Amino acid sequence: AQTVTQSQPEMSVQEAETVTLSCTYDTSESDYYLFWYKQPPSRQMILVIRQEAYKQQNATENRFSVNFQKAAKSFSLKISDSQLGDAAMYFCAYRSFSRAGSYQLTFGKGTKLSVIP
Amino acid sequence: NAGVTQTPKFRVLKTGQSMTLLCAQDMNHEYMYWYRQDPGMGLRLIHYSVGEGTTAKGEVPDGYNVSRLKKQNFLLGLESAAPSQTSVYFCASSYTTGTRSRELFFGEGSRLTVL
Repeated sequence: AQTVTQSQPEMSVQEAETVTLSCTYDTSESDYYLFWYKQPPSRQMILVIRQEAYKQQNATENRFSVNFQKAAKSFSLKISDSQLGDAAMYFCAYRSFSRAGSYQLTFGKGTKLSVIP
Repeated sequence: NAGVTQTPKFRVLKTGQSMTLLCAQDMNHEYMYWYRQDPGMGLRLIHYSVGEGTTAKGEVPDGYNVSRLKKQNFLLGLESAAPSQTSVYFCASSYTTGTRSRELFFGEGSRLTVL
């Protein structure tokens, strides 16, 4: 079974600064997806960014980018120019792309990000 | 376009009572999932369904049952609620198995408290 580890339960960043959230995972599969989800106090799960394992290029979405290191099984999220609205819980997630894995999404335990004005 | 809708949003139960959470999606997704979220634990998979009439167990299935009688609906039942089932429950759905690059779409969550 796959496992996802987020080693930083809480982090903080000054407004307009850059912060990096860490995520590592364990898998024996070669094809899979990785995601970062944001959960603000409203509780809604919002997709921030996705990465397909077969793509070497790191995904970017505006101020959000990832550093995907497949060999190291690392998938960190970088938030640039942090804004007050970025304050939330962030979850790293792994999705199997095998029928045997039933395409399940496995989550890390989350990192709570605070943004300091 | 409603996406994934969960009802009810909040519920308080007494130990031993039963209840059903309803999840409905209007995106014609094949796959549907029920997760629970507890502080410090992330989201853990309870049960999932790969199509109408099929269900399977996830990581934490004990104490729950599910049914998928219609493609658009996925029901989560608690037959005899226990305080350990106090949690926030999320339903999610996704595209069919033949497509790539597919994230899960989540409902807004249902907060259940068992006294």
